[in-house]
Amino acid sequence: DAGVIQSPRHEVTEMGQEVTLRCKPISGHDYLFWYRQTMMRGLELLIYFNNNVPIDDSGMPEDRFSAKMPNASFSTLKIQPSEPRDSAVYFCASRAGNTEAFFGQGTRLTVV
Amino acid sequence: GQQVMQIPQYQHVQEGEDFTTYCNSSTTLSNIQWYKQRPGGHPVFLIQLVKSGEVKKQKRLTFQFGEAKKNSSLHITATQTTDVGTYFCAGNNNDMRFGAGTRLTVKP
Repeated sequence: DAGVIQSPRHEVTEMGQEVTLRCKPISGHDYLFWYRQTMMRGLELLIYFNNNVPIDDSGMPEDRFSAKMPNASFSTLKIQPSEPRDSAVYFCASRAGNTEAFFGQGTRLTVV
Repeated sequence: GQQVMQIPQYQHVQEGEDFTTYCNSSTTLSNIQWYKQRPGGHPVFLIQLVKSGEVKKQKRLTFQFGEAKKNSSLHITATQTTDVGTYFCAGNNNDMRFGAGTRLTVKP
């Protein structure tokens, strides 16, 4: 398995634009997590899915953020409209049951 | 979800010195995991502790889980420059919330 795959690796966009981040978890993993990492706030859990169902989205900052997992092999995190304060590194992670989590390489988002 | 607090936030040591980071939870954890993130990289799993009072070792790293399963520690003996990075604990009650991390720098 190639591990957790995130795309794009880097994204620069203008304020107000829609941004979509993508994640392909490891095959067979039933949990998927989205995190945002900044110097100020550390590694924040935004939302997580179990068997493609969103379980806890209390970490999603506001209505501009949404996440979907249409099937077991794909998830998206969308920001619409984007703002400069959304600039961060976004990580996706997956795991099987209550075991170790595997992280993707992350997407570095810059909103100008 | 549970709140996981981690201290210290930063630690700078001379190569060869020991290092310890502590993790405390407001609630009882089913288990706790430790991850390491190198500068510019992504978090990588180190270990999972499940049992009350559990102690595990990986070479120079010693991990402990408290008796009440609310706290944990990571101790590195005789740090090396390769230990540089940020160490995170994550309480693992289905959700996986991370502490703020301890950034370790090592002076050669």
